[in-house]
Amino acid sequence: GDSVTQMEGPVTLSEEAFLTINCTYTATGYPSLFWYVQYPGEGLQLLLKATKADDKGSNKGFEATYRKETTSFHLEKGSVQVSDSAVYFCALSEAGAGSYQLTFGKGTKLSVIP
Amino acid sequence: DSGVTQTPKHLITATGQRVTLRCSPRSGDLSVYWYQQSLDQGLQFLIQYYNGEERAKGNILERFSAQQFPDLHSELNLSSLELGDSALYFCASSVGTTPAGELFFGEGSRLTVL
Repeated sequence: GDSVTQMEGPVTLSEEAFLTINCTYTATGYPSLFWYVQYPGEGLQLLLKATKADDKGSNKGFEATYRKETTSFHLEKGSVQVSDSAVYFCALSEAGAGSYQLTFGKGTKLSVIP
Repeated sequence: DSGVTQTPKHLITATGQRVTLRCSPRSGDLSVYWYQQSLDQGLQFLIQYYNGEERAKGNILERFSAQQFPDLHSELNLSSLELGDSALYFCASSVGTTPAGELFFGEGSRLTVL
């Protein structure tokens, strides 16, 4: 079945450091790919998405490119802020039988220190 | 605020008991999804309803059941509770069932089974 593997955390960075969180996936077809973020005490919210190969999703300074050849969707940000401290989830969805469901990675906790 | 409302926010109960978690989707959303988040398993998809009908089933135990009512709110029933059922249960909603659609998550119901 479909699966998502993302780098284990926790990740601790200093403010203004460069961030990369690796994500690779396994899917039978052509999934859509997502990054969701969960701030402390809140539900998940969509950060960015890409629906086909070579698409780049971006939002709030975060970027990720859908790489079909390496089945990857790594999350990057050039300069992190304390407010970026959260848990980041990579996810994919694949339609089937008229419905779809998101398959999530286990999450990577990011802590940014001043 | 995602627009998805979950109640109760916290629930403590004993093994063998039964609980009901409630979810009100965003206005206009027809799909409701239930996810279980635990430290060891991560985010696991349980079940999806679309406009009152079950659409997809994931790793939902037979002791668990759900339904979506005509006003589109949903309830997740957990019975014969075990210690291992302690987790954060998220409800999410979306407009339809398209593969690239965004899910909007509630803040979750934290269940503790003692």
